[in-house]
Amino acid sequence: SQTIHQWPATLVQPVGSPLSLECTVEGTSNPNLYWYRQAAGRGLQLLFYSVGIGQISSEVPQNLSASRPQDRQFILSSKKLLLSDSGFYLCAWSGYATPRDTNEKLFFGSGTQLSVL
Amino acid sequence: AQSVSQHNHHVILSEAASLELGCNYSYGGTVNLFWYVQYPGQHLQLLLKYFSGDPLVKGIKGFEAEFIKSKFSFNLRKPSVQWSDTAEYFCAVTPYTGFQKLVFGTGTRLLVSP
Repeated sequence: SQTIHQWPATLVQPVGSPLSLECTVEGTSNPNLYWYRQAAGRGLQLLFYSVGIGQISSEVPQNLSASRPQDRQFILSSKKLLLSDSGFYLCAWSGYATPRDTNEKLFFGSGTQLSVL
Repeated sequence: AQSVSQHNHHVILSEAASLELGCNYSYGGTVNLFWYVQYPGQHLQLLLKYFSGDPLVKGIKGFEAEFIKSKFSFNLRKPSVQWSDTAEYFCAVTPYTGFQKLVFGTGTRLLVSP
């Protein structure tokens, strides 16, 4: 069966420090991968998505970047964190890019709570 | 741009009470609609989904939702809640074009007291 791993679960970082969050998927090949963020009092916002190795699309301009060095690995990074980067970050995957049938859906990781101080 | 509104941020109910969580969206085209749930300490998981056909969708754990296209709504219901339904519930909408356009609501925290 497919599983998604995301780490770390919690992270406290000072302003200006770098960031690296990792997400890996097992049990499937060529998944579509997504990074979401939930800031306090707001809904989940899509940050990046990827349909294949090295293919990254960004939905919103920001201080973050994403990379997909391997088929089932998705990394969220920052060179210098800002206070506004605090939030709950979720990685997700889907088998197809579109919700093509009743079985298609996003599978989510357990999330990383990032606090930038 | 499309958006999703969940009107209730916090709901407190007693066991056996009926539940209805509101969800409205703004998008004029064909949509797919989702309710996700996050139980304490667990991953976000799919509760139910509307893809096409019957607008009354039945999901896991006795939940159902009705898609009313004319009202742009997809309200979640359960006739009798249990303490184990305590969780955060998210409504989400995407046009048929793809998951990259999936938009979530801000979520509703449900607390069910025994």
